[in-house]
Amino acid sequence: GAVVSQHPSRVICKSGTSVKIECRSLDFQATTMFWYRQFPKQSLMLMATSNEGSKATYEQGVEKDKFLINHASLTLSTLTVTSAHPEDSSFYICSARPHTGDSPLHFGNGTRLTVT
Amino acid sequence: AQSVSQHNHHVILSEAASLELGCNYSYGGTVNLFWYVQYPGQHLQLLLKYFSGDPLVKGIKGFEAEFIKSKFSFNLRKPSVQWSDTAEYFCAVIRNSGNTPLVFGKGTRLSVIA
Repeated sequence: GAVVSQHPSRVICKSGTSVKIECRSLDFQATTMFWYRQFPKQSLMLMATSNEGSKATYEQGVEKDKFLINHASLTLSTLTVTSAHPEDSSFYICSARPHTGDSPLHFGNGTRLTVT
Repeated sequence: AQSVSQHNHHVILSEAASLELGCNYSYGGTVNLFWYVQYPGQHLQLLLKYFSGDPLVKGIKGFEAEFIKSKFSFNLRKPSVQWSDTAEYFCAVIRNSGNTPLVFGKGTRLSVIA
């Protein structure tokens, strides 16, 4: 079945540094990928919609200059958390679905970001 | 805007009790509906999904959900819970048109006690 791979699964960085998270669709092409964030004991909140070959669409309240999204190919989207701060510590999850028929959204395994 | 409401924030049940978790959505068009489970310290797992056809769908681990279109509801049920069902449960909805994102409810924490 369709698989979404996310890397890294866990990252610890110092405040002020930048972190890049990759999301790949392994056996299908995804013109659109979605980035979610989950704070502890909370639900998943959509951060942005990543569109291949064009600018990402950000949800209200999400800083586009802080969370840079690049969807360079049909199988890869990256999320870069720039100048990370401790409040950015969260669980980041990407998702995509094959653009054919009734297919569910497939999720990556997520990235646990801890900013110290 | 599309929204998903889960009525219960935290449910505590004894083992063997029956479970029903409520989920309502606001979008009026055709939707696909999902229930996900997140066990402590683990990732999201798909429990079941509804796309079309029989509104009563069966998922993994004995869970089922019923889509009632007139009530915009997709409640999750299990006749007899086990301690291992302790987890966070998320209802999610996606519009069945275009490549739109999944919208999640806030989640319901289920605690099953022996």
